Amino acid sequence: QKEVEQDPGPLSVPEGAIVSLNCTYSNSAFQYFMWYRQYSRKGPELLMYTYSSGNKEDGRFTAQVDKSSKYISLFIRDSQPSDSATYLCAMTIYNFNKFYFGSGTKLNVKP
Amino acid sequence: DVKVTQSSRYLVKRTGEKVFLECVQDMDHENMFWYRQDPGLGLRLIYFSYDVKMKEKGDIPEGYSVSREKKERFSLILESASTNQTSMYLCASRLAGGSSYNEQFFGPGTRLTVL
Repeated sequence: QKEVEQDPGPLSVPEGAIVSLNCTYSNSAFQYFMWYRQYSRKGPELLMYTYSSGNKEDGRFTAQVDKSSKYISLFIRDSQPSDSATYLCAMTIYNFNKFYFGSGTKLNVKP
Repeated sequence: DVKVTQSSRYLVKRTGEKVFLECVQDMDHENMFWYRQDPGLGLRLIYFSYDVKMKEKGDIPEGYSVSREKKERFSLILESASTNQTSMYLCASRLAGGSSYNEQFFGPGTRLTVL
């Protein structure tokens, strides 16, 4: 069993839709949870991170963590064509060098 | 801004060749990482380095070695390239320690094809 599971998609939505991206994990020791965005032919870049259960908002993006269910989500409101990318979840233990990545979900937002 | 650069964007090599992938970061980060990214498998850690001359195996080190002689530079070496090493290779760096989370910064990647 993988440490982190993520639906690979692809996910295709119309512009303006609300997008929900999800990951599940098996290791209850994970404390930091991240979402990376990767545009085609580029390296991943950090979008959001959180270290507690609950919601964290940043503009149109909301990261949600449910540690009891070992489930994290990223919501994108009013999605734009520029949001079209692959979204990777990642997680780690405090002060630990190894990050565990999901396989990524490819999102396409149609104009 | 942190900048992580990789020596090549695209590379084509033949089976059996020795291949060097170079990564340089300009933010004095202690930690550096090499990943490979394959469809459906996500990012898999090959090696990481805590600091100069320090290295530790990741999940898939077989067929690879690394070198970190200077803090800003981390090299990935494919001793004898094979077709199953065709992949996207990503380098990342990160500030070590501290009391809060420190993110990894990624380079643009090197797409390696082994024929």
